[in-house]
Amino acid sequence: ETGVTQTPRHLVMGMTNKKSLKCEQHLGHNAMYWYKQSAKKPLELMFVYSLEERVENNSVPSRFSPECPNSSHLFLHLHTLQPEDSALYLCASSSPGGRQGDTQYFGPGTRLTVL
Amino acid sequence: GDSVTQMEGPVTLSEEAFLTINCTYTATGYPSLFWYVQYPGEGLQLLLKATKADDKGSNKGFEATYRKETTSFHLEKGSVQVSDSAVYFCALSDRGSNYKLTFGKGTLLTVNP
Repeated sequence: ETGVTQTPRHLVMGMTNKKSLKCEQHLGHNAMYWYKQSAKKPLELMFVYSLEERVENNSVPSRFSPECPNSSHLFLHLHTLQPEDSALYLCASSSPGGRQGDTQYFGPGTRLTVL
Repeated sequence: GDSVTQMEGPVTLSEEAFLTINCTYTATGYPSLFWYVQYPGEGLQLLLKATKADDKGSNKGFEATYRKETTSFHLEKGSVQVSDSAVYFCALSDRGSNYKLTFGKGTLLTVNP
């Protein structure tokens, strides 16, 4: 596979469930990002990992918990979500300092619905 | 801080019409500028980019020129197709912010046959 992949593509969960979103990048990048895209709102940057270290957390509620075990994989663990958390969650990767350093490449997203 | 302003949509055109989507930016440093496209049900795809003043990014018939004097990066296409129907996002990346992307709100384009 090439590029950035995300699984699952669609997820429906209840407010008491625990689930995880997975992102994998096959581009040799060293930075990974989680974004939230809600209807009628601008893209919101949630978390940034650089060299597997979290470097940004944009005041995201603790019911969202990211994990970056290595430079190719990024997870978003979800628990006790609210209906307003329903959105498209996008993963991206880049290689700051590299030749294409400032270009982020996105996955197809996970469409999350919280009932 | 950095910001991107792009024209509000939706934009509806007939096939083969000329397209312009305006984008202006504010940045503290010397940013790179991007256009991303999001087709229905998909993630964002990089459409084109420009990294310095007067650079022209181009791809799939789309063009945008980095205009530092007017802080603009307008997207143009001479003849749109139905398959160009999508949401278009203007964005900037400022080295001073560790390459974080700042996005505009997006412009929905619908092209009718």
